[in-house]
Amino acid sequence: KAGVTQTPRYLIKTRGQQVTLSCSPISGHRSVSWYQQTPGQGLQFLFEYFSETQRNKGNFPGRFSGRQFSNSRSEMNVSTLELGDSALYLCASSLDRISEAFFGQGTRLTVV
Amino acid sequence: SQQGEEDPQALSIQEGENATMNCSYKTSINNLQWYRQNSGRGLVHLILIRSNEREKHSGRLRVTLDTSKKSSSLLITASRAADTASYFCFPRTGANSKLTFGKGITLSVRP
Repeated sequence: KAGVTQTPRYLIKTRGQQVTLSCSPISGHRSVSWYQQTPGQGLQFLFEYFSETQRNKGNFPGRFSGRQFSNSRSEMNVSTLELGDSALYLCASSLDRISEAFFGQGTRLTVV
Repeated sequence: SQQGEEDPQALSIQEGENATMNCSYKTSINNLQWYRQNSGRGLVHLILIRSNEREKHSGRLRVTLDTSKKSSSLLITASRAADTASYFCFPRTGANSKLTFGKGITLSVRP
């Protein structure tokens, strides 16, 4: 069974640009969550999607958005990038909203 | 949302020793999950214990759950250098709970 796939693995962007990150969950999983991880703040919850609907949202500005498609694949978008957005972005999928989560390897975003 | 509070924040032991990590939470749960993260990589699910279970084993891992004290412990026996990582607990309260994580425990296993 293929794991959670995140693309791209590494990304360098300039301040002010926007970026789209992709997450393909494990086949059959309907829940996808996104996290931002930085050395200073640790793992911060961004949002959760289940059956194409956003179910929960973390405390991030509106520049951070996401969506989930009918095949459960998810994308997150960050507009008007700031230096502080440099982080490891992790995606996790689970069968439902109770079960264990499986994480991708993450996308390392560097904003210069 | 609910997150677990892991304790201690850091733990350093010699290879071969056992490592015990604790997690406390505040409200009733459906299950509690433990994860490991090696430096700069995604989290790996280790073990899930349901609220009606008291103890669970998986290889060198032993997890206990005390719902009356709202706490869980993760024991890694005969630790190895490869166990060096950060460990997180996550209490799942239900379908509406955010999957949020605490600061985790940094475990260092010295060769």
